[in-house]
Amino acid sequence: KAGVTQTPRYLIKTRGQQVTLSCSPISGHRSVSWYQQTPGQGLQFLFEYFSETQRNKGNFPGRFSGRQFSNSRSEMNVSTLELGDSALYLCASSLGRAGETQYFGPGTRLLVL
Amino acid sequence: GENVEQHPSTLSVQEGDSAVIKCTYSDSASNYFPWYKQELGKGPQLIIDIRSNVGEKKDQRIAVTLNKTAKHFSLHITETQPEDSAVYFCAARNTGANSKLTFGKGITLSVRP
Repeated sequence: KAGVTQTPRYLIKTRGQQVTLSCSPISGHRSVSWYQQTPGQGLQFLFEYFSETQRNKGNFPGRFSGRQFSNSRSEMNVSTLELGDSALYLCASSLGRAGETQYFGPGTRLLVL
Repeated sequence: GENVEQHPSTLSVQEGDSAVIKCTYSDSASNYFPWYKQELGKGPQLIIDIRSNVGEKKDQRIAVTLNKTAKHFSLHITETQPEDSAVYFCAARNTGANSKLTFGKGITLSVRP
């Protein structure tokens, strides 16, 4: 079974631009969670989607948004990029029930200049 | 919300020795505790997990113990090998409507050949 895939793997943007990242979960998984990973803050939860609905949200500004499609694929969008948004963005999928094991993708490395 | 602390932040062991990584959590209602290994340029990979109704779980050279009273859990790696060198993250999942995984800051394990 194929793992979680994320595209693109690397991205360079400038301040003020917006970016869209994509995540395809493991086949059969209905929940997708997004995390931001930085050296200083570690892994921080952004949001979780299940059956096209946002089920939970972390403490990030409204510039960070996401959505999930009927095939469980998910996208996250960051608008008006800031230098501090440079990070590794990780997507994790699970079957969907609370407490289920999450499997991570390789991440998208975003650099904001 | 849940707070997960991981210590030490770095650990260096000689090949063949054992390594123990400890984490504490704050929410006594948390009921799921996974451990992830992250190698350079990759996403976190689940190596073992434990649920709150179990005190210990073992998988070959890796074991996890959970002390619910003290709210801490530990990862034990025996007969360490150079390929065990990586960053290890612990996490705890709280219960309720806003259930999510909260991660520790990670520990860098170096296994000296």
